[in-house]
Amino acid sequence: AQKITQTQPGMFVQEKEAVTLDCTYDTSDQSYGLFWYKQPSSGEMIFLIYQGSYDEQNATEGRYSLNFQKARKSANLVISASQLGDSAMYFCAMRGVTGNYGQNFVFGPGTRLSVLP
Amino acid sequence: SQTIHQWPATLVQPVGSPLSLECTVEGTSNPNLYWYRQAAGRGLQLLFYSVGIGQISSEVPQNLSASRPQDRQFILSSKKLLLSDSGFYLCASADRGLNQPQHFGDGTRLSIL
Repeated sequence: AQKITQTQPGMFVQEKEAVTLDCTYDTSDQSYGLFWYKQPSSGEMIFLIYQGSYDEQNATEGRYSLNFQKARKSANLVISASQLGDSAMYFCAMRGVTGNYGQNFVFGPGTRLSVLP
Repeated sequence: SQTIHQWPATLVQPVGSPLSLECTVEGTSNPNLYWYRQAAGRGLQLLFYSVGIGQISSEVPQNLSASRPQDRQFILSSKKLLLSDSGFYLCASADRGLNQPQHFGDGTRLSIL
């Protein structure tokens, strides 16, 4: 079965510093996609970044980058130059091919990030 | 890109009353559609997903049901709400392909009294 683990229930970071949010995954699939989402207190889920299992380079989107270590099955999100608006819940998710043939996404429990002024 | 319309944003219902939450999608065709529930401060619980019109898969047995009467319309229903149905409900849409993310609506906060 596919599983996402986020071991940090809460994280604090000083404004303008970088922060790493951990994500490890478990799957027997060879092909899969990894995603990070941000959920502010208002509730909407915002897609941040994607990494494919066969991508050799780490994904980057603006201040977001994904530290992908396939052998360790980890896909950590790095936020550079944190801003107060980055305070939110962050979810790691995976989409694979087994089970429901890629129809389902598996989400981690989330990490609440608080950016301090 | 896709736009997910979900309404209402907030709903207060008495125990035992019916429920209908609607979600419509713009900007794509034949997407996979999903209903999630989220308790306060917790993760996402997948309730239903659909790969096509009239095709519904349930992930969690409960008193809720879902329907997909049109390609880009997904409805969550209940005949009789329970207190435990309170929560934040999110509709999501995703194109096929492992590299396709889910796009979410703004959610409905449902309170059962």
